[in-house]
Amino acid sequence: AQTVTQSQPEMSVQEAETVTLSCTYDTSESNYYLFWYKQPPSRQMILVIRQEAYKQQNATENRFSVNFQKAAKSFSLKISDSQLGDTAMYFCAFSWYNNNDMRFGAGTRLTVKP
Amino acid sequence: EAQVTQNPRYLITVTGKKLTVTCSQNMNHEYMSWYRQDPGLGLRQIYYSMNVEVTDKGDVPEGYKVSRKEKRNFPLILESPSPNQTSLYFCASSTQGFGETQYFGPGTRLLVL
Repeated sequence: AQTVTQSQPEMSVQEAETVTLSCTYDTSESNYYLFWYKQPPSRQMILVIRQEAYKQQNATENRFSVNFQKAAKSFSLKISDSQLGDTAMYFCAFSWYNNNDMRFGAGTRLTVKP
Repeated sequence: EAQVTQNPRYLITVTGKKLTVTCSQNMNHEYMSWYRQDPGLGLRQIYYSMNVEVTDKGDVPEGYKVSRKEKRNFPLILESPSPNQTSLYFCASSTQGFGETQYFGPGTRLLVL
């Protein structure tokens, strides 16, 4: 069963604008972790942001921030002031709190246009 | 430099010919894992290891074997590769499990003819 769903296979944004990538997940647990990973054309997987479910405050990392809606099981990524280097595949991921398992969404391919 | 290395980076082989993809990390991480990435499916976990001599199956373990004889190394073995194992493979490591940041290797592109 699909645990993590990314409903936007592809998106594009103009340089310097803001874009939001969607992610929903399915779990009955109350404690877990959520992540956004970036995969540029080099294929290297890079952590963008991490959120612990028991923390209500949304995580931020410079131009990257999340909108974590626990009741709705939604975890969207907002990229502000988009840069050409943000062009990449973005994966949303979920990890149970005490489980040795990690699930990834299918990915959203983001293109930043000059 | 802290890193996860994989070898080879690219491999073309034929059905049934045993192969090993090596993975090594220099961060003294406890956890290591293998994923395969396929279009439209994201990354799926193949096997993981919590420590030396401790391994367990992930979501898609069929056709793969692993071993963890040393903390730093976690090779992936395909004893009889088949075309449906053509994929992009990633090794990753983390300090204390999947709730922590995972550090990924550069990936291995495998083509099985």
